[in-house]
Amino acid sequence: GAVVSQHPSWVICKSGTSVKIECRSLDFQATTMFWYRQFPKQSLMLMATSNEGSKATYEQGVEKDKFLINHASLTLSTLTVTSAHPEDSSFYICSARPGRTYGYTFGSGTRLTVV
Amino acid sequence: AQKITQTQPGMFVQEKEAVTLDCTYDTSDPSYGLFWYKQPSSGEMIFLIYQGSYDQQNATEGRYSLNFQKARKSANLVISASQLGDSAMYFCAMREGRGSSASKIIFGSGTRLSIRP
Repeated sequence: GAVVSQHPSWVICKSGTSVKIECRSLDFQATTMFWYRQFPKQSLMLMATSNEGSKATYEQGVEKDKFLINHASLTLSTLTVTSAHPEDSSFYICSARPGRTYGYTFGSGTRLTVV
Repeated sequence: AQKITQTQPGMFVQEKEAVTLDCTYDTSDPSYGLFWYKQPSSGEMIFLIYQGSYDQQNATEGRYSLNFQKARKSANLVISASQLGDSAMYFCAMREGRGSSASKIIFGSGTRLSIRP
């Protein structure tokens, strides 16, 4: 089946530094990828929609300058959390929909801890 | 605006019993899709079942079935013969529109299902 590979699985960084999270579609082309954030015991909240070759679309309330999204190829989308702070600590997970399937495939998620 | 509501924060069920997880939705788009995902403690999102708004029959996938009541805007997940491995968070989700790869999905608040041995 279609696989989205997400790295890293977990990362601990110091406050003020930037962290990059990668999502790769391994056996299909993803012109669009979705980035979600999930706080403990809460639901997945859509942050932004990443579009290959164009600017990402951010959901209301999400700071585009803080959460930089790059979708430079049909198989790779990256999310960079810039100047991370402890309140950015969360579970970040990406998703894409392989063609001709109903289900959306998710990466395994990245647990970010900012200390 | 689309909205997904799951009113059961948590449920406990005895092993081998059937369980129904509730989901209601709200949308003005006549074309939409409904999904159920399972999220174990590892965090991965596992796709369980899909129902299209124009589908005439309720979707079924093994032990999972979706009780789709369009007029009531509900899409409940039924798990038959529950197993210990079914213990997880379950999310209902919806996509508006005909469903291109660019169509986003939004999630309900989730239900934590715990199966008792």
